[in-house]
Amino acid sequence: GAGVSQSPRYKVAKRGQDVALRCDPISGHVSLFWYQQALGQGPEFLTYFQNEAQLDKSGLPSDRFFAERPEGSVSTLKIQRTQQEDSAVYLCASSPLRGLAGGPQETQYFGPGTRLLVL
Amino acid sequence: AQSVTQLGSHVSVSEGALVLLRCNYSSSVPPYLFWYVQYPNQGLQLLLKYTSAATLVKGINGFEAEFKKSETSFHLTKPSAHMSDAAEYFCAVTPALNAGKSTFGDGTTLTVKP
Repeated sequence: GAGVSQSPRYKVAKRGQDVALRCDPISGHVSLFWYQQALGQGPEFLTYFQNEAQLDKSGLPSDRFFAERPEGSVSTLKIQRTQQEDSAVYLCASSPLRGLAGGPQETQYFGPGTRLLVL
Repeated sequence: AQSVTQLGSHVSVSEGALVLLRCNYSSSVPPYLFWYVQYPNQGLQLLLKYTSAATLVKGINGFEAEFKKSETSFHLTKPSAHMSDAAEYFCAVTPALNAGKSTFGDGTTLTVKP
């Protein structure tokens, strides 16, 4: 079946421009995660949703970053007034379950990422 | 707090040789541990995971990893490398009490020489 998809795959933005990155999780998956992967580093946690509820946003680096999942399916990560240090690959992942039935042992299924370059 | 250290950012082996990718972790609560593989321009794919059952975990593509609590390690191995194993590998830890917040290592790039 279809996996996690992300769009656009590549985005070039001028410094100060706002960008919106989209994630389409696997249909029916309850949990959705956003990660930031800088060049040569591992993914770093940004935020986490169960359905439409944003349960953890402690990884968002500044108030310029905002994520939403209004209907519990598609999610958008928005970055306002982009800076050069925002250049990275933004990964989205989803997993099927939640709560005690799910939780930290559940497999996360990753999308291909959006590569953002801020000039 | 939790952290992951992958020793060796680059590992090179000959085709057919043993693959050993090292991962050490620290976690204040019982961890769940994962190994992911990432091919160029693709997302991460789960290789295997430790979830407090058997300490020796078998994954896809012939990979396995052993959880050693005393050494706080979760090294990834494969008896015989194949050219198609060339990729970047990430070790990750998720604490038992927080479903969302995984911490990843910086990755190890595996090169397989013919």
